[in-house]
Formats: sequence, structure tokens, C-alpha cells
Amino acid sequence: SAVISQKPSRDICQRGTSLTIQCQVDSQVTMMFWYRQQPGQSLTLIATANQGSEATYESGFVIDKFPISRPNLTFSTLTVSNMSPEDSSIYLCSAAGVTYEQYFGPGTRLTVT
Amino acid sequence: AQSVTQLGSHVSVSEGALVLLRCNYSSSVPPYLFWYVQYPNQGLQLLLKYTSAATLVKGINGFEAEFKKSETSFHLTKPSAHMSDAAEYFCAVSVEGNNRLAFGKGNQVVVIP
Repeated sequence: SAVISQKPSRDICQRGTSLTIQCQVDSQVTMMFWYRQQPGQSLTLIATANQGSEATYESGFVIDKFPISRPNLTFSTLTVSNMSPEDSSIYLCSAAGVTYEQYFGPGTRLTVT
Repeated sequence: AQSVTQLGSHVSVSEGALVLLRCNYSSSVPPYLFWYVQYPNQGLQLLLKYTSAATLVKGINGFEAEFKKSETSFHLTKPSAHMSDAAEYFCAVSVEGNNRLAFGKGNQVVVIP
């Protein structure tokens, strides 16, 4: 299994600003992902963070709004750009190895005012 | 496209009674299936997984699930509910046989003393 940490754990931001969330894994992993969990809802995959190349975004998510970096096999960042109140959610990072299960970070609770 | 269906967003169970959470999947390829638990203000924790080995899968905290291809189901059970089982439970299916996951809407389990 992998242990995943995220920073910040929570933040309150003003609309129109951007927030970068960091995700650190304690071991090298094959794949990293970013999810959004809106209040009272399930998880929705935003994108797959690819090491050394552009992230692969799911339908409805675009790079201009959610730029993602993955400079190495243990670290990734997600930026939520030009925020609006609709971006208030929990953002979760996950990592997967060769056995398909994903391990999740504790999440970043974002409130946009 | 791969998807999972979880019915009944809120499930109430008496302490000591059987816990049964239903999950039905849709997949055009042999699926990998997962159950996750989310405690308040925490990330997701893997309970158990099915990856085409034994159809009866045992997980942590006394939970188990049975893969039934004929019924396209992967229901989660625990013989005797404990107060500490109060949490949200998510069923997930791998998308197109890769590491990307599609989640069900989740079941909020309430344990009644």
C-alpha cells in the first residue's frame, strides 16, 4: 500500500483566485489521479496525472481550469484556477500501483467565497 | 461505459444486525471491483477488491463481498454491525480495465444502538 499526504488540508479562498494543492506519495507509483467530491456527492475523476507529460482529462474538465503537474513518480499538484463558489468541494489525490487498487489521500476541503 | 449503481443513499442498521450494501455494475470487459469506506472528514480507505480471482472476497473490519457475474453484482456484507461501521461506503469499478475508477453514489450507513 501507499501512504499519501495532501497540502493544504483545507482552505477558504475568494472567487477569482487560484489554489494549488500538493500530493505526495511515500513510494514510487505507476499512476496518480485527482478527484473532486462535491458536498454530499460521490467522487468524480478529474484527470490522470502523467509523469513528465500533460495530464489526461475526463469529459467536462479542462486544463485551463485544472492545470496538473507531475514532475516525478511521487509528487503531483492540482491547481484550481479562477475559482467560483461552484468549485467548493473536497479534492482528493490517489495513487495506484500494478495491482489496480487506488490509495487515497485525506483530501483538501476547499471553500470559495 | 463502465458504471456502478448503488441504491438507497441512506441505510440504517441496528447494532449487531446484518449489514448489506448492494452494488450492481455495468462493464463491457471483465471488471475489477472495489469497495471503499469514508469516515467523516477523511479520505477513502480500501475495504476489499475483486480482480478476477476468488469470487468471495474478504476485506478489512469483517466485511466481505461476493462477485456474481450472472447478476452483475458485487454486494458488500458484514454479519454483525458495530457502531464504528457508521460511515459512507462507495462501490467502484475500473474503467476499461485500467486504473481509472468510476464510483457509485455511495451509501451512508447509520448504526442504531
